Amino acid sequence: QKEVEQDPGPLSVPEGAIVSLNCTYSNSAFQYFMWYRQYSRKGPELLMYTYSSGNKEDGRFTAQVDKSSKYISLFIRDSQPSDSATYLCAMSVRYGQNFVFGPGTRLSVLP
Amino acid sequence: GAVVSQHPSWVICKSGTSVKIECRSLDFQATTMFWYRQFPKQSLMLMATSNEGSKATYEQGVEKDKFLINHASLTLSTLTVTSAHPEDSSFYICSARGLSSYNEQFFGPGTRLTVL
Repeated sequence: QKEVEQDPGPLSVPEGAIVSLNCTYSNSAFQYFMWYRQYSRKGPELLMYTYSSGNKEDGRFTAQVDKSSKYISLFIRDSQPSDSATYLCAMSVRYGQNFVFGPGTRLSVLP
Repeated sequence: GAVVSQHPSWVICKSGTSVKIECRSLDFQATTMFWYRQFPKQSLMLMATSNEGSKATYEQGVEKDKFLINHASLTLSTLTVTSAHPEDSSFYICSARGLSSYNEQFFGPGTRLTVL
């Protein structure tokens, strides 16, 4: 079993839809959770950063962490074609420790 | 925000030659830099972690003598792919972490290497 798993997609949705992206993990010691967005042939950029369980909202993006289920989610409201990218989850056990990345989910938002 | 640059953005070389890729933190001091490799439609695979002034720590399965990493200053790290072969063709991405953002990595735009 991989340490962090994501559905690779591709996930295609119409413009304006609510998108749900998810990661599951096996290491219950993970405490810091990140979501990165990566456009084709570009480096990843940080979207959301959360610590431990709970929700965090930033504009159209909401990150959820359920440590009891070892499951994290990223929701995108009112999705736009510009949201078409690969979304990577990443997590670490301790502050400042190296991240473990999920394989990424490719999202296409169709106009 | 923190900006990380990479140079070159793409490079094509002949098999057997060496290629150097630079990673620079432009507006902050990077105490730690990371080098990743990414194959098409796959996730980032950490190759090595380097702290300024120290030897890099390589992940299991990464050849130290093939992928030379130097982190001589707080704003520059280099990755040299020695005696490159076609199987080394990939997207190489660096990231940097500074003292004030110790739990956040800022990624460079990546370098696409094609070995003929």
